[in-house]
Amino acid sequence: AQTVTQSQPEMSVQEAETVTLSCTYDTSESDYYLFWYKQPPSRQMILVIRQEAYKQQNATENRFSVNFQKAAKSFSLKISDSQLGDAAMYFCAYRPYNTDKLIFGTGTRLQVFP
Amino acid sequence: GAVVSQHPSWVICKSGTSVKIECRSLDFQATTMFWYRQFPKQSLMLMATSNEGSKATYEQGVEKDKFLINHASLTLSTLTVTSAHPEDSSFYICSAMSVRDSKDTQYFGPGTRLTVL
Repeated sequence: AQTVTQSQPEMSVQEAETVTLSCTYDTSESDYYLFWYKQPPSRQMILVIRQEAYKQQNATENRFSVNFQKAAKSFSLKISDSQLGDAAMYFCAYRPYNTDKLIFGTGTRLQVFP
Repeated sequence: GAVVSQHPSWVICKSGTSVKIECRSLDFQATTMFWYRQFPKQSLMLMATSNEGSKATYEQGVEKDKFLINHASLTLSTLTVTSAHPEDSSFYICSAMSVRDSKDTQYFGPGTRLTVL
């Protein structure tokens, strides 16, 4: 069964600094999608970034970028120039290519200090 | 674009009663909607997948007779918690996938907090 592991329950970063959140997953599939979602205190899940496994190029969305290592089954999220509004729970999610189901990790709570 | 709403945002009910939660895609049509449950400080657990015009597909361990799902249109899915008990208290979140979204992204609603007394 596919699983997603986020080994950092909590992380903290100073405002304007860079932080990296880890995510590993287990699958025997070669085609799949990976996502990072943000859940702020409002509980609204917001898509941060998405990566297709067949693409070697790492996805980037403004201050958010990923380090996708397919062989290592690793999908880390880097947040540059951290802002107070980045404070939230971050969930890594895996989606097999042939289904619509998302499998979520346990989440990492990010605190941003001024 | 791609806004999903849920109603109500918070509901308190007595044990034994039924509660209906609505999930609407406001600016797009959704062929597929998903219902998740999230316990405090935990991750999202998929309960069921709802396709417009057909029966929902429930995940293992989810009682389909207790959690009734209806997806009557391309913009509305409902989750009814029947004969609710305190252990059903949780945060319920829906998501929707756009018919025309080539990226197959799930857009999430703001969630509904259910408290059963």
